[in-house]
Amino acid sequence: GENVEQHPSTLSVQEGDSAVIKCTYSDSASNYFPWYKQELGKRPQLIIDIRSNVGEKKDQRIAVTLNKTAKHFSLHITETQPEDSAVYFCAASMGGGTSYGKLTFGQGTILTVHP
Amino acid sequence: DGGITQSPKYLFRKEGQNVTLSCEQNLNHDAMYWYRQDPGQGLRLIYYSQIVNDFQKGDIAEGYSVSREKKESFPLTVTSAQKNPTAFYLCASIQFNTGELFFGEGSRLTVL
Repeated sequence: GENVEQHPSTLSVQEGDSAVIKCTYSDSASNYFPWYKQELGKRPQLIIDIRSNVGEKKDQRIAVTLNKTAKHFSLHITETQPEDSAVYFCAASMGGGTSYGKLTFGQGTILTVHP
Repeated sequence: DGGITQSPKYLFRKEGQNVTLSCEQNLNHDAMYWYRQDPGQGLRLIYYSQIVNDFQKGDIAEGYSVSREKKESFPLTVTSAQKNPTAFYLCASIQFNTGELFFGEGSRLTVL
């Protein structure tokens, strides 16, 4: 089955700096890669996703890049703010209908943004 | 207000007891999922259901059971066969046209 590795496990940055979280996956059939943000005790919420026919996607301060050949994808957050502090999870699935929800998650990255 | 409602939010259980976690959605989504989250780990898929009266095992189905008698409801039973049931359980449903998975607020189960 699919295996997703996520690094780093913790990341500490100063407000205004950039943050980068990296994930690798094992199954070349995976073609849907979402990123979720989870605040303490709360539900995970989708912040951005990318499909295998796209190499990069951006939404304001957040961007995701995908390298299908190398089987890795990354989350980039620019101009970080204290409210960006949370746990971030990457995930992968084969996509399409019900399979969108059959996600394999990485272990999570605790991001702390210091004012 | 559309969403996914899970109950109870916190649940304590003695060893050897079965417990059922409720999940109700009013988003009119066909597919629903149960995930388990342990500290310091990502979410892992327990069961999922594409339509009423149909469900499939996920990666860690042993010790769990589900039913899908109504489109809106997908309860999860944690049986006494589950060796390490203490965890945070998240129910979700999916919007097919975007692929976005919507999560409930979760149920935290502690076995005493």
